[in-house]
Amino acid sequence: AQTVTQSQPEMSVQEAETVTLSCTYDTSESDYYLFWYKQPPSRQMILVIRQEAYKQQNATENRFSVNFQKAAKSFSLKISDSQLGDAAMYFCAYRSATGNQFYFGTGTSLTVIP
Amino acid sequence: DAGVIQSPRHEVTEMGQEVTLRCKPISGHDYLFWYRQTMMRGLELLIYFNNNVPIDDSGMPEDRFSAKMPNASFSTLKIQPSEPRDSAVYFCASSAGRGRGGYTFGSGTRLTVV
Repeated sequence: AQTVTQSQPEMSVQEAETVTLSCTYDTSESDYYLFWYKQPPSRQMILVIRQEAYKQQNATENRFSVNFQKAAKSFSLKISDSQLGDAAMYFCAYRSATGNQFYFGTGTSLTVIP
Repeated sequence: DAGVIQSPRHEVTEMGQEVTLRCKPISGHDYLFWYRQTMMRGLELLIYFNNNVPIDDSGMPEDRFSAKMPNASFSTLKIQPSEPRDSAVYFCASSAGRGRGGYTFGSGTRLTVV
């Protein structure tokens, strides 16, 4: 099975600053999808951003962007102009293009300091 | 669109009792997934359905767990008998196709078995 590693259990950022959350994954496949999910205290899992492995261009969604390094199997999330509402647990996830199951990392807890 | 609807939001039950968790996927989504989230094990896939048919139940921990999807708009996850180690948050998620665009999660059911 594929493994997804988030090496930062906790991160903190000052409001309005930028923070980067790390994610690496292990796979022998060439075609797959990567995702970042946000889980605030409300418990709801919210899709933040997705990346298709065959696309070289890094995905961007407003203040959220990724740095996708396919050769290094790295998929980091950058949050710009951090807001208090960004405080949450963030999960990186992998899905094979041919499979159905998502593989999730263990999560990074992000604290935003006012 | 009301999203994926799970009920109940919280459930507290005594060891040995039967517990039934319910899920209504997004209309038109043909895949439905049940996940369990714990601090120790993170997010684990229990079972998933395609067009109401169970495809992979290898993640179901024991025979005490069972899941059904009698129609496209309803699924249940049943635990009988429940044990304290079943305490967790149980998520239902659905997707159109195999999740290329990501899953849509419900808000989860927090189960506490005392």
